[in-house]
Amino acid sequence: SAVISQKPSRDICQRGTSLTIQCQVDSQVTMMFWYRQQPGQSLTLIATANQGSEATYESGFVIDKFPISRPNLTFSTLTVSNMSPEDSSIYLCSVETGDYGYTFGSGTRLTVV
Amino acid sequence: GENVEQHPSTLSVQEGDSAVIKCTYSDSASNYFPWYKQELGKRPQLIIDIRSNVGEKKDQRIAVTLNKTAKHFSLHITETQPEDSAVYFCAARGGTASKLTFGTGTRLQVTL
Repeated sequence: SAVISQKPSRDICQRGTSLTIQCQVDSQVTMMFWYRQQPGQSLTLIATANQGSEATYESGFVIDKFPISRPNLTFSTLTVSNMSPEDSSIYLCSVETGDYGYTFGSGTRLTVV
Repeated sequence: GENVEQHPSTLSVQEGDSAVIKCTYSDSASNYFPWYKQELGKRPQLIIDIRSNVGEKKDQRIAVTLNKTAKHFSLHITETQPEDSAVYFCAARGGTASKLTFGTGTRLQVTL
């Protein structure tokens, strides 16, 4: 299965600023997924990122707030823009590695103050 | 889109007892159903999965059953141990999209 390196592991940010989270995969993958996990909650899909095309956002998530880049088959970034305390969550990237295998990054714990 | 419901939200069992967590899904085209275990502060880890062409799968103390007609699947843990204490999530992969939709999670506590 794929190995994902996700950075940063945690950050404390001021409201109104932006944070970019990076995920690097050790193999080429077609689909990358970004999830949000609010405290004590389940994983909610933010968007699906395919290389070479615009990300597909889920209901309730918009590109202006969560812009995503997918410059190649091993890398993606998620930016949390104009942050407010409500954005405090764990953000996880995930990839589908073929044969229905899914791997998760270690997560980014974001606290907005 | 896909909707996955999970019950119970919390489950407390004594060590050695069995635990059962149930999930239902809405998209009849869903074809893959994984279960994840998430310990505090860690990423979800796959513990078992089942595909839509299989009714049951077992791996040591863990088993999953799938009823496609009723659109529900269940996780069974036998001979529970304290290290089984964690949050468990079911998920479903839609038939037309490769994304996973997660259930709301079950906090399992195994007491001595």
